[in-house]
Amino acid sequence: EAGVAQSPRYKIIEKRQSVAFWCNPISGHATLYWYQQILGQGPKLLIQFQNNGVVDDSQLPKDRFSAERLKGVDSTLKIQPAKLEDSAVYLCASSLSFSYNEQFFGPGTRLTVL
Amino acid sequence: TQLLEQSPQFLSIQEGENLTVYCNSSSVFSSLQWYRQEPGEGPVLLVTVVTGGEVKKLKRLTFQFGDARKDSSLHITAAQPGDTGLYLCAGAGKAGTALIFGKGTTLSVSS
Repeated sequence: EAGVAQSPRYKIIEKRQSVAFWCNPISGHATLYWYQQILGQGPKLLIQFQNNGVVDDSQLPKDRFSAERLKGVDSTLKIQPAKLEDSAVYLCASSLSFSYNEQFFGPGTRLTVL
Repeated sequence: TQLLEQSPQFLSIQEGENLTVYCNSSSVFSSLQWYRQEPGEGPVLLVTVVTGGEVKKLKRLTFQFGDARKDSSLHITAAQPGDTGLYLCAGAGKAGTALIFGKGTTLSVSS
């Protein structure tokens, strides 16, 4: 079974630029999560989707971050404009369903904002 | 706000030693998970504990969930260099709510 795929694996941008990350969850997984993991900390949830609907985006900085999962499968996370403090690893995870807490993580995208 | 405190933050030991990592909270969780994360990779689930007082063993790793479901521990017997990594605990509230992660324990095992 293929795991969660993410791209790109690494990205370096200047502050105030835009960046987008892509995630393809495990086939059949209805729930998709985006996490931000700053160096030395555990992952922090940014947004949770159930199929193509948003379940929880309470910690998403909506003035600069946006995410979508239009067809209930792939998802993109965008930052516009980026700030220095956005430097982190962005992890995508998926789980079978809303009520099933076992999550499978992708390898992450390491973002460096200069 | 639910918080999970992990200790110690860093642990550097020799191969063959035993160690325990702690995960504590003032909140009750419906379940608690332990993940291991290697550099450049996402976290990988090791175990889920659900019942207060539950003990689960995974080869040399022993996981315990506190009776009150507020804390957990991970004990590794005879650590090996392959155990090196970041160990994260994550608590779940009611079904469907997001996991709350601790900051992790970075373990380094040298031969």
